[in-house]
Order: sequence, then C-alpha cells, then structure tokens
Amino acid sequence: DAGVTQSPTHLIKTRGQQVTLRCSPKSGHDTVSWYQQALGQGPQFIFQYYEEEERQRGNFPDRFSGHQFPNYSSELNVNALLLGDSALYLCASTVSGVQLEQYFGPGTRLTVT
Amino acid sequence: QKEVEQDPGPLSVPEGAIVSLNCTYSNSAFQYFMWYRQYSRKGPELLMYTYSSGNKEDGRFTAQVDKSSKYISLFIRDSQPSDSATYLCALSSGGYQKVTFGTGTKLQVIP
Repeated sequence: DAGVTQSPTHLIKTRGQQVTLRCSPKSGHDTVSWYQQALGQGPQFIFQYYEEEERQRGNFPDRFSGHQFPNYSSELNVNALLLGDSALYLCASTVSGVQLEQYFGPGTRLTVT
Repeated sequence: QKEVEQDPGPLSVPEGAIVSLNCTYSNSAFQYFMWYRQYSRKGPELLMYTYSSGNKEDGRFTAQVDKSSKYISLFIRDSQPSDSATYLCALSSGGYQKVTFGTGTKLQVIP
C-alpha cells in the first residue's frame, strides 16, 4: 500500500521564479492538504483540496495556488518566489475532507536563492 | 499571542525515563487534539488523537487533555533511543476544519 508520495525531493530556485510541487495521496484517500514548514517551526496550513476544489485556505498570499486532478493527486504552485518561501513543503492526505488522521508525505525541500 | 504554544526544547533524557511533552492553547474552540512525531528529514506521523478531556493510552504513549486549563500533554513511558524525534501537538476545532500545529519539541533519548 503506497503512502503519500511527493516530488521532487529537493529543489533550488531563484527569487522571482515559479515552482510546481506534486503530491500523490495515500491509496483510498481523496483529500489533499498542503503545509509549509519553516526550519524549527511546525507545519503551517496552506490549503486543502477535496473534490477538485479548494475547500479551505490558510493565511497565505495568492502567489500560492493549487490544483487537484480527477485521480486525487495535487499540485502546489508558487509564483514570484521570495527568499522567505524557503521551507519544507508537506502534503497530507485523508478521506472526505476530514482533517483528522492525516497521512503526510516526506516533503519537498525548497530553497530560494 | 500564538494560538498554540509549545516549548521547542531540546529535551534530553536517559533511556527508560518517562517523558512529558506539553502544549498550551488559547482558542477554546479547539475540540480535537493530536500528537505527531517527526523524524529528521521525514514528514510528521500521527501518534494519536483525542476529542475529549481526560486520558487516552496507546502502548507506551498517553495523551492527556485538560480543556479547563487549555493544556495538553503527551507522556512516553520507558523511553527508547528510537523515540528521539520532534513531537508536534496539533489542534482543530472540528473534523473538517484546518489543523493548527505547535512549533514542536525536539526530544533526544540517550542510551
């Protein structure tokens, strides 16, 4: 049973560039949430996708956008990258929009120079 | 004031010790309380979650919630070196609502 997978593992970008991160949920899960985890901090909720729609959003600017595909996989897009966007980006999956018992992927480490 | 406060540690204990990890929160709307473990370079892993005040036990782990004091705890009995990780408390006001994480406490269990 495959767990949550994310790609790429690591990424280095320059300020002002755009980045796309990808996530495949755990088998049987239909809901994907994205989190940003800065060094030494807990994960911060970015948004959740369920039934191909953004259902909830945290306090992140519009530069952060996403998409969910019919197979439940998801993408996180960040435009106009800032140095402060450097962080571990985590994807978590669950069932039917319920945020409890989330399964997390290993994350994508984004470095903005 | 942050919604969730958690001492970042690090906390260093000898093998076999009882470990107490704690969080305080300010939002009385929080009803669900979770503990995650995060090993270095890995994603968080759910250890347990509870809904009500009181204790919930799972093996060597016990979660305790005191809603009147807005205080939650995770106890680890007979701690092992493999328990060395960062422990994150996480809270939610409802099953469908976003989860708010603490900053995490880094634990090191010394053999």
